[in-house]
Amino acid sequence: GAVVSQHPSRVICKSGTSVKIECRSLDFQATTMFWYRQFPKQSLMLMATSNEGSKATYEQGVEKDKFLINHASLTLSTLTVTSAHPEDSSFYICSAPGSGDQPQHFGDGTRLSIL
Amino acid sequence: AQSVSQHNHHVILSEAASLELGCNYSYGGTVNLFWYVQYPGQHLQLLLKYFSGDPLVKGIKGFEAEFIKSKFSFNLRKPSVQWSDTAEYFCAVSGAGNNRKLIWGLGTSLAVNP
Repeated sequence: GAVVSQHPSRVICKSGTSVKIECRSLDFQATTMFWYRQFPKQSLMLMATSNEGSKATYEQGVEKDKFLINHASLTLSTLTVTSAHPEDSSFYICSAPGSGDQPQHFGDGTRLSIL
Repeated sequence: AQSVSQHNHHVILSEAASLELGCNYSYGGTVNLFWYVQYPGQHLQLLLKYFSGDPLVKGIKGFEAEFIKSKFSFNLRKPSVQWSDTAEYFCAVSGAGNNRKLIWGLGTSLAVNP
């Protein structure tokens, strides 16, 4: 079945570092991908919708310059957390819609820890 | 406004007990409804979904959910839970067709004691 691969699964880095997270659709094309952030014991918060070949659509309150999204191809979307700070520590998840009425396929998530 | 409300934040049950997790939504137009499960340390998995047709849908691992349009509800049920059902459960709604953005509930943490 359709698989979404997210990499890396875990990142620990110093404050001020920029971190890139990749999300790949392995056996299907995804013109749209979604990026979520999940805080402990809370639900997923949609950060942005990544659109292949055009600018991402950000949800209200999400800083575009902080969370850079690039959807360079039909199988790859990247999220870059720029100049990360401890408050950016979280679990980030990407997903891609399936075809037709199929539900979304989720990546395994990236645990980001900023020291 | 579009929203999903899950009534129970934390549920603790003993094995073999019956389970019902409430989910109500607010969304204009035709909806698709989902329940996702997140086992400890794992990624989200689809438990079941409703797009159209029979409002009683059956999912994996013995779960089922009933869509009651008049109540804007999509409650999740399982007649007899197992310890392995311990997980976070999320209700979500999206528009039909090309509107794929999911609106999520806050989730319910289920702990099943052996």
